[in-house]
Amino acid sequence: EIVLTQSPGTLSLSPGERATLSCRASQSVSDSYLAWYQQKPGQAPRLLIYGSYRRATGIPDRFSGSGSGTDFTLTVSRLEPEDFTLYYCQHYGSALWTFGQGTKVEIK
Amino acid sequence: QLQLQESGPGLLKPSETLSLTCTVSGGSITGSDNFYWGWIRQPPGKGLEWIGNIYYSGSTYYKPSLKSRVTISLDTPKNQFSLKLSSVTAADTAVYYCARLSHSGGWRLIDYWGQGTLVTVSS
Repeated sequence: EIVLTQSPGTLSLSPGERATLSCRASQSVSDSYLAWYQQKPGQAPRLLIYGSYRRATGIPDRFSGSGSGTDFTLTVSRLEPEDFTLYYCQHYGSALWTFGQGTKVEIK
Repeated sequence: QLQLQESGPGLLKPSETLSLTCTVSGGSITGSDNFYWGWIRQPPGKGLEWIGNIYYSGSTYYKPSLKSRVTISLDTPKNQFSLKLSSVTAADTAVYYCARLSHSGGWRLIDYWGQGTLVTVSS
């Protein structure tokens, strides 16, 4: 079973700054099966990125994804107040769906 | 617009069976072979855990560590799918989400989620 490790656990930044979130897989994975989600308190997660870099419908272009193999990155180019929340990466493989443990982006 | 809504008891005692239903509106759960219908949970203050999912054909896929206790089934006339988790303990306390898991276009993503329902296991 593939394990996804997200880092850092918490990222402290100011509005307008750039956020770089990492997701590392325990073995090489297909980038077609790597997605990112945003979760705000009390809400269900929302799909941001799929296929490693493709933005979901309605997602602002300040969100971007990249990576391949074992290392994937979610970048928020300029943080807006509503972006300070939790983010999860997710992978599908061998009929199993796996999530990373999450990264919290907090206001510095 | 597709909508999913979880329903079921919010409080259980240890050793009981958790039973939740997800009602889907705005689309048929058997209308396309591009989607799975699944359950994901999130213990309070913790991360997301995939439990399992079911295909329109009835094929099921479960997280290995939960497989012995989980059953997911379809009720196609009611456009619903359900989760049963037996022999619950306090470790099963979580918000339970139902969701649509897509493999359309060759991608794998979760594009629709229910609002989630909190299930607490306590004596």
